[in-house]
Amino acid sequence: EVQLVESGGGLVQPGGSLRLSCPASGFTFSDYNMNWVRQAPGKGLEWVSYISTSSATIHYADSVKGRFAISRDNAKNSLYLQMNSLRAEDTAVYYCARLRSFGGSYFFDYWGQGILVAVSS
Amino acid sequence: DIQMTQSPSSLSASVGDRVTMTCRASQSISTFLNWYQQKTGKAPKLLIYAASSLQSGVPSRFSGSGSGTDFTLTISSLQPEDFATYYCQQSYSTPQAITFGQGTRLEIK
Repeated sequence: EVQLVESGGGLVQPGGSLRLSCPASGFTFSDYNMNWVRQAPGKGLEWVSYISTSSATIHYADSVKGRFAISRDNAKNSLYLQMNSLRAEDTAVYYCARLRSFGGSYFFDYWGQGILVAVSS
Repeated sequence: DIQMTQSPSSLSASVGDRVTMTCRASQSISTFLNWYQQKTGKAPKLLIYAASSLQSGVPSRFSGSGSGTDFTLTISSLQPEDFATYYCQQSYSTPQAITFGQGTRLEIK
């Protein structure tokens, strides 16, 4: 059974930092591109960041570029998101999600349960 | 960026109804369109990928269609567990350009 379990969230002051972790199990982690997706309270889904299988290719949404850093450790089957210079608008539930592709379409076939990051003074 | 617009934003229906919701892209995205279901407090669940392919384990009452800019998700006979919010998502041939629609909330009439 595929499992993704986020941790590391919590309450942080504006300008602060947090590091999210997402250990994976039930599949060969190193074979899949991985992502972070977030959802502000009562709002829709927003893609945050992408990392390829070997970490050679990384992408960020403009809203987090220069502040967030995605990484992975294939030996530990884990995905990470280092979040710096946090702002109130970063408050959201953060999901790690496995990416698959089919015929050129990219989609998230497995998601973690989500972890809340709250940025407030 | 490609914008995705879902309609309606909310929809009331009864168990057994046939329900259709739409997603429109701001430019042609071929069939690079996927649908998710999200229940309150839960992670999204993939229903349909590549516009019309049913994800493994998803009931056959769910179907997707469309290409270019206009897409449809249909539930042929609503079940109690189908009341949720539905999101479309596009990825026009690249994983760095993923965007979601704003969602359609399906409520019990």
